[in-house]
Amino acid sequence: GAVVSQHPSRVICKSGTSVKIECRSLDFQATTMFWYRQFPKQSLMLMATSNEGSKATYEQGVEKDKFLINHASLTLSTLTVTSAHPEDSSFYICSATRGGPLPHGYTFGSGTRLTVV
Amino acid sequence: GEDVEQSLFLSVREGDSSVINCTYTDSSSTYLYWYKQEPGAGLQLLTYIFSNMDMKQDQRLTVLLNKKDKHLSLRIADTQTGDSAIYFCAEIFTGNQFYFGTGTSLTVIP
Repeated sequence: GAVVSQHPSRVICKSGTSVKIECRSLDFQATTMFWYRQFPKQSLMLMATSNEGSKATYEQGVEKDKFLINHASLTLSTLTVTSAHPEDSSFYICSATRGGPLPHGYTFGSGTRLTVV
Repeated sequence: GEDVEQSLFLSVREGDSSVINCTYTDSSSTYLYWYKQEPGAGLQLLTYIFSNMDMKQDQRLTVLLNKKDKHLSLRIADTQTGDSAIYFCAEIFTGNQFYFGTGTSLTVIP
């Protein structure tokens, strides 16, 4: 089946530094990848949608200069949290799809727990 | 935007049935899903139902959809301790964007 690998699973960084999170589709080519953020005891909120080779589409309220998304290949998308602050601490999850008909085709990564100290 | 609501918590005894409910406001979605999230982990697809179906059964899982009332439920028969997790309902719309519910934390008491 389709597997999405997300790395790192946990990261602690100092305030003001940048952190990169990788999302890889291991056994399929992902035409589109999605990045979600999950606050404690809350649901997933879509941050942005990225298509290979084009600029990401950000949801309203998400700062594109702070959350840089790069989808340079059909198997890799990265989310970089720039100049991280404690309020950026959260659980980030990616999802990838190869396109095609619903209902299948969406696979979620295992998530990255970011803690900014 | 779309509002998808769930009860926050549910506790059941091992062996009993669990029923997790979900209400939504936009009925134009094509599919509705149930995902399971264990602590510190990503989302695991449990099951889904097409929007023109009323019911779907998959082993211990039964999904009921009432489009008129915009109500979706997930019944887990013979609930086990390994079922303890957070359960999210989700809808998918044109453009393939998911809207997730607020999540229900299921605790199974041995």
